[in-house]
Amino acid sequence: SAVISQKPSRDICQRGTSLTIQCQVDSQVTMMFWYRQQPGQSLTLIATANQGSEATYESGFVIDKFPISRPNLTFSTLTVSNMSPEDSSIYLCSVVKYKGSNEQFFGPGTRLTVL
Amino acid sequence: KNQVEQSPQSLIILEGKNCTLQCNYTVSPFSNLRWYKQDTGRGPVSLTIMTFSENTKSNGRYTATLDADTKQSSLHITASQLSDSASYICVVSRNTGTASKLTFGTGTRLQVTL
Repeated sequence: SAVISQKPSRDICQRGTSLTIQCQVDSQVTMMFWYRQQPGQSLTLIATANQGSEATYESGFVIDKFPISRPNLTFSTLTVSNMSPEDSSIYLCSVVKYKGSNEQFFGPGTRLTVL
Repeated sequence: KNQVEQSPQSLIILEGKNCTLQCNYTVSPFSNLRWYKQDTGRGPVSLTIMTFSENTKSNGRYTATLDADTKQSSLHITASQLSDSASYICVVSRNTGTASKLTFGTGTRLQVTL
């Protein structure tokens, strides 16, 4: 398995500010992803974090709003920029350890509330 | 359109009782189907993963079934415990050629009571 930690676990932010969420894994992993889970909704993939290059974003998500970094095989950050109340959500980091593996592990999530 | 639908949306059962959660999907091409348990305030944790050729898979008191012909899956929980109170999410993976894509259901919220 993979042990994933996220910081912060929760935050309350003001409209127009930005928040950076960190994801740390206890071992090197092949793939890292960022998801959003809005209240009462299913998980939606924001982007795939690529080591040493720009993230791959899903339709509806852009780099200016959700810049992502992945400097190595165990760490990634997601920034939620210029926040609005609509960004209130749980943000989850997820990893696949080995190429071709079916197992996908999720972090505990970061609960973000924007006022 | 690739979709995963779960029913019921929510469920309340007495401790010790059994229950079955349903998942219907239209994801194609199918790669595998997963059931996750998500406790409140936590990330999802995998319960089972089933490929096209697997009809049944168990993990303790959890038994998942898959009918690839009708594109239906179920998760049966036996002798429920208070700790089973959580959301159960059905996730279907499809191969896009270059990567696997996951489609998530909205989950069934289960509450086990005394």
